Amino acid sequence: AQSVSQHNHHVILSEAASLELGCNYSYGGTVNLFWYVQYPGQHLQLLLKYFSGDPLVKGIKGFEAEFIKSKFSFNLRKPSVQWSDTAEYFCAVRGSGYSTLTFGKGTMLLVSP
Amino acid sequence: NAGVTQTPKFQVLKTGQSMTLQCAQDMNHEYMSWYRQDPGMGLRLIHYSVGAGITDQGEVPNGYNVSRSTTEDFPLRLLSAAPSQTSVYFCASSYSIRGTEAFFGQGTRLTVV
Repeated sequence: AQSVSQHNHHVILSEAASLELGCNYSYGGTVNLFWYVQYPGQHLQLLLKYFSGDPLVKGIKGFEAEFIKSKFSFNLRKPSVQWSDTAEYFCAVRGSGYSTLTFGKGTMLLVSP
Repeated sequence: NAGVTQTPKFQVLKTGQSMTLQCAQDMNHEYMSWYRQDPGMGLRLIHYSVGAGITDQGEVPNGYNVSRSTTEDFPLRLLSAAPSQTSVYFCASSYSIRGTEAFFGQGTRLTVV
């Protein structure tokens, strides 16, 4: 069975600070990896995804993530956060075969102006 | 395109009542799923479907039924509501179960009293 672990439940940053959110997964085969964002009171939206190829993927709003296969990790980064990045962030994994999408427990990011 | 549409947005039930949460998508997606979101628990898969007439259980299926009579619709039925089913419910769809991103509905906030 696949599983996802997100390292931090809550992160508080000041505007312009750099962000890195940790995500580790457990799965025995090839995976597809995702980061979703949920703004307050809204549904989940896709930030970025990794299927294959370049392990450094760029998403919307200046976010990027790096897939490190040897570490089973897919950490999310942003060089300079804005107040509008305040949201909950979810890492998710799906085995590349016939498999459902499994989410981590989420990281709540609060950016203070 | 409307994407994934969920109704209702809010619902209050009394313990023991039954109800159906509706989900419809207009993207001709094969794969549809229902998740519940609880604080600190992330999103947990309730049921999913890989096509019309085919459904399967996820991580937390007890107390819920689903059916998939058409490609577009995937209703979630609560048979006899319990306070433990108080949650936010999200429906999601994707082109297929094989490594494609999921699109989420706006969610249904359900309270069981």
